Amino acid sequence: AQTVTQSQPEMSVQEAETVTLSCTYDTSESDYYLFWYKQPPSRQMILVIRQEAYKQQNATENRFSVNFQKAAKSFSLKISDSQLGDAAMYFCAYRKIMNRDDKIIFGKGTRLHILP
Amino acid sequence: DGGITQSPKYLFRKEGQNVTLSCEQNLNHDAMYWYRQDPGQGLRLIYYSQIVNDFQKGDIAEGYSVSREKKESFPLTVTSAQKNPTAFYLCASSIAEASLARGHQFFGPGTRLTVL
Repeated sequence: AQTVTQSQPEMSVQEAETVTLSCTYDTSESDYYLFWYKQPPSRQMILVIRQEAYKQQNATENRFSVNFQKAAKSFSLKISDSQLGDAAMYFCAYRKIMNRDDKIIFGKGTRLHILP
Repeated sequence: DGGITQSPKYLFRKEGQNVTLSCEQNLNHDAMYWYRQDPGQGLRLIYYSQIVNDFQKGDIAEGYSVSREKKESFPLTVTSAQKNPTAFYLCASSIAEASLARGHQFFGPGTRLTVL
């Protein structure tokens, strides 16, 4: 069974600094998606960034980028120039590509604090 | 605007009562999902439906029931058999084919259920 592990329950970073959130996963599949979702205090889940496993190039979205290491099954999120609005719970997630009946598997989350 | 709505935002229930949480989407998505979120647990899948009149149990289906009579609606009933129902409940939807949706699920704003 696939699993997603986020080993850092909480992290803090100074405003304008860079922070990296860790995620590892376990799967025997070769094709899949990986995601980082953000859940701010409003509790609305927002997609931050996604990565297709077949793509070697790391995904980037403005200040957010990932370090995808397929062989190591690692998928970390780097937030550059941290802003107060980045304070939230961040969830790493996995989904197989090919199976129509499949579902997203979430890690337990990392709570990110931004220090002014 | 397309999106997912959940109602009510807050719900209180007495022990022994059934209660139904509403989830509606106008995104024309085939697949819909219910998640439960507890502190430190991340998101856990309760039920999901890939097509009208069909649904499957997720990881924690005991004490819950669903129906999918319309494509737009996927209500969740929390029954008296659910021993610890106080939690935050999130509904999500996506195109059923993961490859077409690029894996992503869209989330509603959630319902906070409290048992008194």
